[in-house]
Amino acid sequence: AQSVAQPEDQVNVAEGNPLTVKCTYSVSGNPYLFWYVQYPNRGLQFLLKYITGDNLVKGSYGFEAEFNKSQTSFHLKKPSALVSDSALYFCAVRDMGRGSTLGRLYFGRGTQLTVWP
Amino acid sequence: SQTIHQWPATLVQPVGSPLSLECTVEGTSNPNLYWYRQAAGRGLQLLFYSVGIGQISSEVPQNLSASRPQDRQFILSSKKLLLSDSGFYLCAWSVPRRDLYEQYFGPGTRLTVT
Repeated sequence: AQSVAQPEDQVNVAEGNPLTVKCTYSVSGNPYLFWYVQYPNRGLQFLLKYITGDNLVKGSYGFEAEFNKSQTSFHLKKPSALVSDSALYFCAVRDMGRGSTLGRLYFGRGTQLTVWP
Repeated sequence: SQTIHQWPATLVQPVGSPLSLECTVEGTSNPNLYWYRQAAGRGLQLLFYSVGIGQISSEVPQNLSASRPQDRQFILSSKKLLLSDSGFYLCAWSVPRRDLYEQYFGPGTRLTVT
């Protein structure tokens, strides 16, 4: 069964500093991994995905994520945090075992990122 | 481009009253559609998904139901709301193709059952 763990409920970082939001996964086949961001009282916005290819994936708003197969991790990173990056971040893995076109995603519990000025 | 709409944006309903939340997608055909509930601003719980008109799969037994009367319309309903039904309800869609995997979410409906 597929699952995702986000070990930190909360990450705090000063503006201008690099940020990392951690995610580890468990899958039965090749991992298809995603990051989403949610601002208060809004829907989730897609940031980036890893399907295959380069281990470093670049996404929206200057975010990137590094896929590490040996550590089964897919950490979200940004070189220089902004106050406007403060939001709830979700990691997700795609279900490949129940028909490849269904597209079910399994989400982590989310990590609240706070960037202070 | 594709867009997804949900309404209403917020809803306050008494216990025991019925519920109908609507989701529509524009700019794509035959999408996979999903209903999620997010409680306490954190984890997402998949409630229902649909791969076509009239085809609904339920993930969690509860007093909610879903219907898909048209290709791009997905409705979440209840005959009698419970206090525990309060939460943030999100609709999402994805393209049923092997090379496109991400889901796209609507703006959500905040439901408060009093």
